[in-house]
Order: sequence, then structure tokens, then C-alpha cells
Amino acid sequence: NAGVIQTPRHKVTGKGQEATLWCEPISGHSAVFWYRQTIVQGLEFLTYFRNQAPIDDSGMPKERFSAQMPNQSHSTLKIQSTQPQDSAVYLCASSPPNYNNQAPLFGEGTRLSVL
Amino acid sequence: GDSVTQTEGQVALSEEDFLTIHCNYSASGYPTLFWYVQYPGEGPQLLFRASRDKEKGSSRGFEATYDKGTTSFHLRKASVQESDSAVYYCALSGDSNYQLIWGSGTKLIIKP
Repeated sequence: NAGVIQTPRHKVTGKGQEATLWCEPISGHSAVFWYRQTIVQGLEFLTYFRNQAPIDDSGMPKERFSAQMPNQSHSTLKIQSTQPQDSAVYLCASSPPNYNNQAPLFGEGTRLSVL
Repeated sequence: GDSVTQTEGQVALSEEDFLTIHCNYSASGYPTLFWYVQYPGEGPQLLFRASRDKEKGSSRGFEATYDKGTTSFHLRKASVQESDSAVYYCALSGDSNYQLIWGSGTKLIIKP
């Protein structure tokens, strides 16, 4: 079985441009998570979907960041007007339907570099 | 709020040395505890999890025992190999049961 697939692996944008990151969760997994990883802050929770519905976006910066899950096979994280401080590795993870205390399985991440 | 503390930011060992990475947590209720390993350029991979007091998780020679009394979940391996070089994260599932609370990570370096 394929794992969580994230594309692109690397993305370089200029300051002020838009970036869209894609995630394909493991088939049959109904929980999808987005995390951000930086040297300074470590791993930070951004948002969580269950059965495609947004459940918790408490970690998302209120401006410029949005996430969607239009169908069970993919989710997107969009960052508008990217800033240098948005540079990070963005990780997507998924877990099975019995989500309580399940261990999310992670993709390899998308490294976003904002110049 | 819930938190996870890993005291070692970096550990340098020689092959066949014994490894201990300390993990202590603070949480209400009864969290599930996890160890993940992350290799360069990859996402974190689950090593194992434990959900109840005295439960031992293990994988690939690594192990940790859930200790509610000392609120600890220390990672140990009897004999490390060069291929174990990576960053190790302790994490817990908080009150939400889905959001992971992460430690700061411990980089394991195996000296040649």
C-alpha cells in the first residue's frame, strides 16, 4: 500500500506569491492532518479533517492560510501572499477511521522556501 | 496544557553503545504515548505507541515502558547501529485524542 503522498516535494516561491500544497492520504483513512515543521518551533499542528469535514483549525494562522478536503483522496493547504517566515516543511498525515489515539502516518513533506 | 519534555537535544554514541533518550510528559487524564523517528528528508515514522500504565512498546530493537507514576516514556536500545542515526520524537495524544503534542526531538549521532 502506498503511504501518504505529498506534492510537490520542494516548492520555491517569491514573497507575495501563492503556494498550494497537495496531500493524498492513505486509502481508507478518514482522518487527515497538516503539521508544520521548523528548526525553531519544531512540529506544530495546523489543522485536522475527519471524513472530509474540517474539525479543528486552531493551529492555522488566521490570515493567508487555508486548507480544504474536497474529496476523500486529497487535501490541499493554500498559503496566500507567502512571506519568508512561512518557509518550513509542511507535513500531511492520515490515520484510520477509529481515530482515537491512533498514530498518524506521515508523508515525506513539502519543503516550502519563500525567497 | 499538555506537554512533552525531551531533555537531550543531541546524543552522540558509538556503535553497540546503550541508548537512553528521556521523555517526560504532563497531561490530564490518560494520554496515549508515541515514539516517532525522522530521517533526513522524510516525515516522522511511528516506532510504537503505548496506551496504559506499564505497557511496553517496542520495534526494531527500541523499547519504552509507559510509567504513569513518574510520567515518563523513556526510549532505550541495547546496542545502537549507524543506521539508527536520526531524530527521535516523543509525543502524546492530548485531550482531543487526535492532536499530537510533540517533544522537541533528540538527534542521535552515531560516531564512526
